[in-house]
Amino acid sequence: TQLLEQSPQFLSIQEGENLTVYCNSSSVFSSLQWYRQEPGEGPVLLVTVVTGGEVKKLKRLTFQFGDARKDSSLHITAAQPGDTGLYLCAGAKGAQKLVFGQGTRLTINP
Amino acid sequence: GAGVSQSPRYKVTKRGQDVALRCDPISGHVSLYWYRQALGQGPEFLTYFNYEAQQDKSGLPNDRFSAERPEGSISTLTIQRTEQRDSAMYRCASSLRSSGNTGELFFGEGSRLTVL
Repeated sequence: TQLLEQSPQFLSIQEGENLTVYCNSSSVFSSLQWYRQEPGEGPVLLVTVVTGGEVKKLKRLTFQFGDARKDSSLHITAAQPGDTGLYLCAGAKGAQKLVFGQGTRLTINP
Repeated sequence: GAGVSQSPRYKVTKRGQDVALRCDPISGHVSLYWYRQALGQGPEFLTYFNYEAQQDKSGLPNDRFSAERPEGSISTLTIQRTEQRDSAMYRCASSLRSSGNTGELFFGEGSRLTVL
């Protein structure tokens, strides 16, 4: 059973388009992180959200933590080929055990 | 080096052999995590340590898997009597924080295990 469900699992869009990736769970998390992973490398942290309803922006990326701290979204504006990668959400439960979703494979076509 | 270092990077072994995977975390990092990752999938939690204490081993698939971090720095993940289903990328990550909100995880490049 997947604790964190990400959708869509695969997304291929044209450069310049906008997109949203979702991370959902029936569990409450004390914090939630988003990572990006490129082929052959380990995941790299993009952002951590802690407070329900929190919104954080990182250039063209906007991250939101749900009010109930059970879900999160990542919105990318004007996607660029450099945004291509595997996007992972990860939630902390209890004493900081961090579990990951299955990932969203994003491809931005020039 | 300044990052998380894992060895070996690649390991090919025969079914039934034992393997030991090593992780050298970033100096000063308190927490150390082990994950297993299938190609194109998210990392699957195995176990983690704060200093030398194993805090959670609920993700270890069965009793053939064990991990230790005896001096609170380098960690070893051992798989006994390997099976083909153990083939995967094993990733180690370390974090500066030991309590409170989860800190940033810094991942190593992984150890690719292939069991023939």
